[in-house]
Amino acid sequence: VQLVQSGAEVKKPGASVKVSCKASGYTFSDYYLHWVRQAPGQGPEWMGWINPHSGGTNYALRFQGLVTMTRDTSISTAYMEVSRLTSDDTAVYYCARASDTTFPGYLCAMGVWGQGTTVIVSS
Amino acid sequence: SALTQPASVSGSPGQSVTISCTGTSSDVGNYKYVSWYQQYPGKAPTLMIYDVSNRPSGVSDRFSGSKSGNTASLTISGLQAGDEADYYCVSYTTSSTYVFGTGTKVTVL
Repeated sequence: VQLVQSGAEVKKPGASVKVSCKASGYTFSDYYLHWVRQAPGQGPEWMGWINPHSGGTNYALRFQGLVTMTRDTSISTAYMEVSRLTSDDTAVYYCARASDTTFPGYLCAMGVWGQGTTVIVSS
Repeated sequence: SALTQPASVSGSPGQSVTISCTGTSSDVGNYKYVSWYQQYPGKAPTLMIYDVSNRPSGVSDRFSGSKSGNTASLTISGLQAGDEADYYCVSYTTSSTYVFGTGTKVTVL
């Protein structure tokens, strides 16, 4: 079981960034995926989850309207796009798979993590 | 807002340390969906405890979790040098979201 994320990005303020998370070793549609970010020297912050089976999403309030989570089941890949970037969005972004398929899957802990994608927002 | 954890705890090898995670009746106090993560510098977090007190396979039984009211706790017994890391609690909330703790740095003396 593995989640492999896309490479580091450097963006200018106001731009958007799209991070990918490719799953392998399991049935992609069976497990919810969370996105978590961690700013330098800070603790992690939950951003939201996506149900890879239905495409349904749930975002943390502060990210609503700024973040879009999608997936492509044909290539077992999830995406997380952040728009209108500011320097406060500089962080490592992680995808994390639910640890179980127990219903409802979004209540399962984050059992498998990607390696993280560094996003730097700088003018 | 973030769950409250002590910034740091320390102990000698072989000792036990306990990390608290204090929330409210809207998160920790209302659900069994509290988990704990270990994170080494520059690495992704690793799940250590889920649903308050359950250990994933492969996690040492030196790690244990509990909850009382609005406070969850992680205990590391038989402290080892390799346990030196940051630890974060996470709870599901009544807003159908998740909230992380502020994080605790464990130092092995």
